[in-house]
Amino acid sequence: QKEVEQNSGPLSVPEGAIASLNCTYSDRGSQSFFWYRQYSGKSPELIMFIYSNGDKEDGRFTAQLNKASQYVSLLIRDSQPSDSATYLCAVKRREYGNKLVFGAGTILRVKS
Amino acid sequence: GAGVSQSPRYKVAKRGQDVALRCDPISGHVSLFWYQQALGQGPEFLTYFQNEAQLDKSGLPSDRFFAERPEGSVSTLKIQRTQQEDSAVYLCASSQTPGTSGIGEQFFGPGTRLTVL
Repeated sequence: QKEVEQNSGPLSVPEGAIASLNCTYSDRGSQSFFWYRQYSGKSPELIMFIYSNGDKEDGRFTAQLNKASQYVSLLIRDSQPSDSATYLCAVKRREYGNKLVFGAGTILRVKS
Repeated sequence: GAGVSQSPRYKVAKRGQDVALRCDPISGHVSLFWYQQALGQGPEFLTYFQNEAQLDKSGLPSDRFFAERPEGSVSTLKIQRTQQEDSAVYLCASSQTPGTSGIGEQFFGPGTRLTVL
């Protein structure tokens, strides 16, 4: 079992819809959770981080964390074609320093 | 500069050659990380520096990989006797937060795409 799991996709949604990206992790000691967006051929770009159970909203993006279920998700409202990218979930555990453990990413395609 | 910079952006090496990849972190960022990203995969941790100290090198795949950050700013990742399986994008990231405190968001550079023939 990989430490961070994501559905590879592609996840296809129509423009204006809500895209829901999911991530599960195996290490119960994980404390911080990050969502990065990566366009093809580019480097990962931080979108959001979350460390408390519940929801965290930033513009069109909402991160949701459920530590009991070891589940973190990213919702993108009013999806735009420019949101088409690979979304990487990453986790961090304090005892392991600052290193991030990434999932393989979910490809999102927003169709206009 | 405003962000993390890396050079070269692309490197083609013949198998057996040594290569050196450079990372210039965001000014003032104490922490510096190297990751390796294979095609279709997420980045995988290689090594971590806090200032000039290499605190974690658990992700380096073999003793052919060596990293340094002698003055606590610019870092170099060196790969000796390159093999085809070393072909990947090498990403550098920096963070303002040292050690295990805080959230420590990491900001990535553009990467170096290494192709070993």
